[in-house]
Amino acid sequence: DVKVTQSSRYLVKRTGEKVFLECVQDMDHENMFWYRQDPGLGLRLIYFSYDVKMKEKGDIPEGYSVSREKKERFSLILESASTNQTSMYLCASSSSTRIYTDTQYFGPGTRLTVL
Amino acid sequence: QQQVKQSPQSLIVQKGGISIINCAYENTAFDYFPWYQQFPGKGPALLIAIRPDVSEKKEGRFTISFNKSAKQFSLHIMDSQPGDSATYFCAATLTDSWGKLQFGAGTQVVVTP
Repeated sequence: DVKVTQSSRYLVKRTGEKVFLECVQDMDHENMFWYRQDPGLGLRLIYFSYDVKMKEKGDIPEGYSVSREKKERFSLILESASTNQTSMYLCASSSSTRIYTDTQYFGPGTRLTVL
Repeated sequence: QQQVKQSPQSLIVQKGGISIINCAYENTAFDYFPWYQQFPGKGPALLIAIRPDVSEKKEGRFTISFNKSAKQFSLHIMDSQPGDSATYFCAATLTDSWGKLQFGAGTQVVVTP
């Protein structure tokens, strides 16, 4: 079974803090994704990575950065957390290529609250 | 601006009834349309998916109907069960995009006993 794990289920941070969200997948997938989930807005793509050290902006990258130093690990970084970044963050991985779309497998999510 | 519009926002159906969720898209280049199911406290998981070369796909009690000319697709849950109570997301993507998904806003389905 594919397993995507996220470092924390719940996180509470203060405005201005630097926040790291970690994601690890065990299926040797090339692609990893970070989404945020908000009621009424569905899932919105923040960043994705199709290879180690490669990254692309998604639909809402402002205020976020990412790091992928190893194939199995993808980190989301909030350089200076703000209250409007309070949300559920979901990590996913897949083996999709440019010519073939495969299933995305999601982690359980991290609910981040910024006070 | 959401590229995939989903309705309704929520749905209550009696056990044994049919749940219907609709999605519409604008980008005619989309060529893969998955539905994800999310239970409370869990991440979404793929439920069923369709490509535009077929008009319908059925897996057990779940059916996707696809209307290419209208740019719409829908999920039908037949004989709905309390265990189907979850949030359902439609999504769309296109070849040459590494599988990046555009999600709908989600529909919360509650099946009453």
